[in-house]
Amino acid sequence: QVQVAESGGGVVQPGGSLRLSCAASGFIFSDYGMHWVRQAPGKGLEWVAFIGNDGKKEYYLESVKGRFAISRDNFKDTLYLQMNTLTTEDTAVYYCVKDPGRDGWSYFDHWGQGTLVTVSS
Amino acid sequence: QSALTQPRSVSGSPGQSVSISCTGTASDVGAHNYVSWYRHQPGKAPELLIHALSRRASGVPDRFSGSKSGITASLTISGLQAGDEADYYCCFSEGSYPWVFGGGSKLTVL
Repeated sequence: QVQVAESGGGVVQPGGSLRLSCAASGFIFSDYGMHWVRQAPGKGLEWVAFIGNDGKKEYYLESVKGRFAISRDNFKDTLYLQMNTLTTEDTAVYYCVKDPGRDGWSYFDHWGQGTLVTVSS
Repeated sequence: QSALTQPRSVSGSPGQSVSISCTGTASDVGAHNYVSWYRHQPGKAPELLIHALSRRASGVPDRFSGSKSGITASLTISGLQAGDEADYYCCFSEGSYPWVFGGGSKLTVL
């Protein structure tokens, strides 16, 4: 069955960097777009970034543009999120989420369990 | 794209029906059926319940249904069960940037 599993979360100081990974299995990874969605403590879900199936299309939440970079390795069935210049506002559980299509559909069909990123001095 | 408005909390007794609203604008929810709903139980991965306003995801029981009136979409859960306690989120996207969530509604089964 479809599975996505995040890793790479941890504690980082403000201004620091972190790279999240998401290992995918149970589907043809290269056929589907992928997202990162986050949830800050006590807050709701917030979409962060999207990448198309072939890596050519990328979209970002306005507040992370220029600081975060989404990428993928279709040979390793792995999604990444490089996060730079982190602030305390980026503290959240980050979810790896599969899109039902190649270039972005209107919903998300499979979610991972999430990985916690804490930005604190 | 503005955020969608949901009630912070809703409640109901076992066996009853409860509806969770998701209010947008005339240009998003009011104009298109690109509304999806997700259930998020503590410590678990969020799961898709409904997409395209009223289409149930695979394996979702028909106790869950989606509808719309004007600029407000609704998720209705009938035959409420204790296991339905969770946070519920609506989301709107026309199939491309951006994807916008509602603030979430906490469902309590009394």
